[in-house]
Amino acid sequence: DGGITQSPKYLFRKEGQNVTLSCEQNLNHDAMYWYRQDPGQGLRLIYYSQIVNDFQKGDIAEGYSVSREKKESFPLTVTSAQKNPTAFYLCASSIDYGSTDTQYFGPGTRLTVL
Amino acid sequence: AQSVTQLGSHVSVSEGALVLLRCNYSSSVPPYLFWYVQYPNQGLQLLLKYTSAATLVKGINGFEAEFKKSETSFHLTKPSAHMRDAAEYFCAVSESMGRRALTFGSGTRLQVQP
Repeated sequence: DGGITQSPKYLFRKEGQNVTLSCEQNLNHDAMYWYRQDPGQGLRLIYYSQIVNDFQKGDIAEGYSVSREKKESFPLTVTSAQKNPTAFYLCASSIDYGSTDTQYFGPGTRLTVL
Repeated sequence: AQSVTQLGSHVSVSEGALVLLRCNYSSSVPPYLFWYVQYPNQGLQLLLKYTSAATLVKGINGFEAEFKKSETSFHLTKPSAHMRDAAEYFCAVSESMGRRALTFGSGTRLQVQP
């Protein structure tokens, strides 16, 4: 089955630590995205990648970093510079970076800072 | 800059009643509009999207939405609610020119009473 996988499902981090969230897709999509979801705030765009080896900052990129070395993979690192990282993180992909392209979402990773 | 407003963070209906979830957008260029549904602790699933073809858009699970340019609205409706419709619903917008990434509203949680 084609789809998007995210791991781990739950992640706990101590303050001052960097953590990396995994996102893999086997849909052969060019574009990939990372969103952060907080209660009552909807989804906010962290980073996006239109094509392999390219990515751009979204609305709330500070304290996060990404890479796009392979078409199917778009890992997100939450660095110690992110002051309030506890949230639900969602990865998505679309066939292209087009305005009408449907984004397909993974099941999410819930990050908690202890 | 584009934005989305979802009126009502929580909506409660009885099983069999009409579902109406409101979405208003702001965009300086022709928008494309989406409705997504999220079940607890899961990713988002596309319900329907408006891409400037028919203004009345039919989606999955019996939902539909009508694009009204004069009212800058894209409200989601379903004639008869079912218990399985209980979830959070997000309206999102992208632009035909400029920002093609989605901008999400803050979401509406639908509760269905037996």
